[in-house]
Amino acid sequence: NAGVTQTPKFQVLKTGQSMTLQCAQDMNHEYMSWYRQDPGMGLRLIHYSVGAGITDQGEVPNGYNVSRSTTEDFPLRLLSAAPSQTSVYFCASSSGQREVATIYFGEGSWLTVV
Amino acid sequence: GDSVTQMEGPVTLSEEAFLTINCTYTATGYPSLFWYVQYPGEGLQLLLKATKADDKGSNKGFEATYRKETTSFHLEKGSVQVSDSAVYFCALSLRGSNYKLTFGKGTLLTVNP
Repeated sequence: NAGVTQTPKFQVLKTGQSMTLQCAQDMNHEYMSWYRQDPGMGLRLIHYSVGAGITDQGEVPNGYNVSRSTTEDFPLRLLSAAPSQTSVYFCASSSGQREVATIYFGEGSWLTVV
Repeated sequence: GDSVTQMEGPVTLSEEAFLTINCTYTATGYPSLFWYVQYPGEGLQLLLKATKADDKGSNKGFEATYRKETTSFHLEKGSVQVSDSAVYFCALSLRGSNYKLTFGKGTLLTVNP
């Protein structure tokens, strides 16, 4: 029962460095998305994808890049890390075949930018 | 736009106390409503959901009823345990937009023995 798998779980970056957070799901879900969680802010949508080759921006997309070359994978790239990107990142997936579907989350990636 | 407002915490209760966490929403379409729970150091788990008016979601002793007339989805539990200590998030998604959840800010619950 893998579900949604994120790596790495913890990462420390220096300002200006780039990195990729990996996300994979084995439920054959069409929809995938990335959220960030900040204290007192809840979770906010960064980018999402409704299928392979299709991505779009969410509420807070600046400084992040995504691609969706396969149904299973949806990596999130930080182009030039900034301290404001210190956060907990969650990948999620859900079925596009139902009008109402449960959204499943990965276990999170704790990122610190110094 | 869509929004979720939930009771600000933190909430501190003694074991076996009654819990209510209020949640109200504003939605441009017909939403489905969810409660997610995040235990310390862990990811989000779906606690319960309701997809139409008057539906009651329930799980692990928690309940919430979808009230369209008051645009509310309050979380309740009759007798909390120490193991219920966590952050609780109310959220909504719109029909046909399963890629997106709109979250409340979360409510930290601490249950003392």
